[in-house]
Amino acid sequence: DAKTTQPPSMDCAEGRAANLPCNHSTISGNEYVYWYRQIHSQGPQYIIHGLKNNETNEMASLIITEDRKSSTLILPHATLRDTAVYYCIVRVPWVGKLIFGQGTELSVKP
Amino acid sequence: DTEVTQTPKHLVMGMTNKKSLKCEQHMGHRAMYWYKQKAKKPPELMFVYSYEKLSINESVPSRFSPECPNSSLLNLHLHALQPEDSALYLCASSGGGSDTQYFGPGTRLTVL
Repeated sequence: DAKTTQPPSMDCAEGRAANLPCNHSTISGNEYVYWYRQIHSQGPQYIIHGLKNNETNEMASLIITEDRKSSTLILPHATLRDTAVYYCIVRVPWVGKLIFGQGTELSVKP
Repeated sequence: DTEVTQTPKHLVMGMTNKKSLKCEQHMGHRAMYWYKQKAKKPPELMFVYSYEKLSINESVPSRFSPECPNSSLLNLHLHALQPEDSALYLCASSGGGSDTQYFGPGTRLTVL
């Protein structure tokens, strides 16, 4: 599975959009980008995943660059409850296992 | 509903004790996973069960013994653990036509 690089920490003001970047320059054509988050001492929570098209669900949007070497998770209106560690994972579905990197610790501040 | 339940929430055990962690899901998922997470580190895969058969063991010491009695239930039997095994143990499941893994809340284990 391709390696991912994320900034270790980010701050965001409550009510503003949080944009979390992820680099995955060695991604293969059949690898998907998955995002999970983990609120302190809880189990990781699935957010969204995508292959090459942009994706949106009730939690977030995922923007993948055309060359697929990087992506951005967007939380459109961050709240204090969005404070968590966000993990970007690249894997082949049904084959690759989930390999968590160090993630980005997002702090949403009032 | 994407709920995975784990019991107990917290467990304290001595190095000579035998204990078990339990994980349950009623989503019809046929793959179940155990992960271990040390403080301030990301989760690491330990075991994968697919259709109630062990398919991946990430070279986990034999003092951890997984068991999948049926498609809804996953156990992790613990024996002769070391203090360094203290961690958050996470269970996950996937299936139903999707490969997305859904995690339980975890069991916080302390080995004295």
